[in-house]
Amino acid sequence: KAGVTQTPRYLIKTRGQQVTLSCSPISGHRSVSWYQQTPGQGLQFLFEYFSETQRNKGNFPGRFSGRQFSNSRSEMNVSTLELGDSALYLCASSLSFVGSGSETQYFGPGTRLLVL
Amino acid sequence: GQQVMQIPQYQHVQEGEDFTTYCNSSTTLSNIQWYKQRPGGHPVFLIQLVKSGEVKKQKRLTFQFGEAKKNSSLHITATQTTDVGTYFCAGPLYGGSQGNLIFGKGTKLSVKP
Repeated sequence: KAGVTQTPRYLIKTRGQQVTLSCSPISGHRSVSWYQQTPGQGLQFLFEYFSETQRNKGNFPGRFSGRQFSNSRSEMNVSTLELGDSALYLCASSLSFVGSGSETQYFGPGTRLLVL
Repeated sequence: GQQVMQIPQYQHVQEGEDFTTYCNSSTTLSNIQWYKQRPGGHPVFLIQLVKSGEVKKQKRLTFQFGEAKKNSSLHITATQTTDVGTYFCAGPLYGGSQGNLIFGKGTKLSVKP
């Protein structure tokens, strides 16, 4: 079975721009979660989507948004980029949503975003 | 707020020495998961513990879930250079009807050959 794929793998943007990241989950997985990873803060939960609905959202500003499509693929958008948004953005898929008991996260390789 | 704390933050060991990382939650967990992230890589699922007092082994790795389901540990016997990486614990924590999978900040293990 193919793993979680994320595109692009690397991205350089300037402040004020916006960016869209894409994630394709493992076939059959219906939940997609997004995390921001930085050296100082570790893995921070952004949001979780299940069956095209956002189930939960972490403590991030409204500039961070996402969506999930009917085929479970997900996109994450960050508008008006700030320097502090530079991070590794990880997508993880799971069979079902957190709390279902089938929430083991299978991570993609991540998108490394650098904001200049 | 609900937190998952992990100690130590860093651990440097000589190859062959043992290593332990500890994870503590502010609230009772329905399960706890452990992940490993190699340098430059992404987190990879290692194991999930569900039952109070549960102990599971994977070769040189021993995972424990506390009786109160609020703490857990990962112990590696006789470390090897292939064990290098950051080990994260994660637990589902709930607010209302929704759950977040909260990760500890991880323990970064380095192994000197």
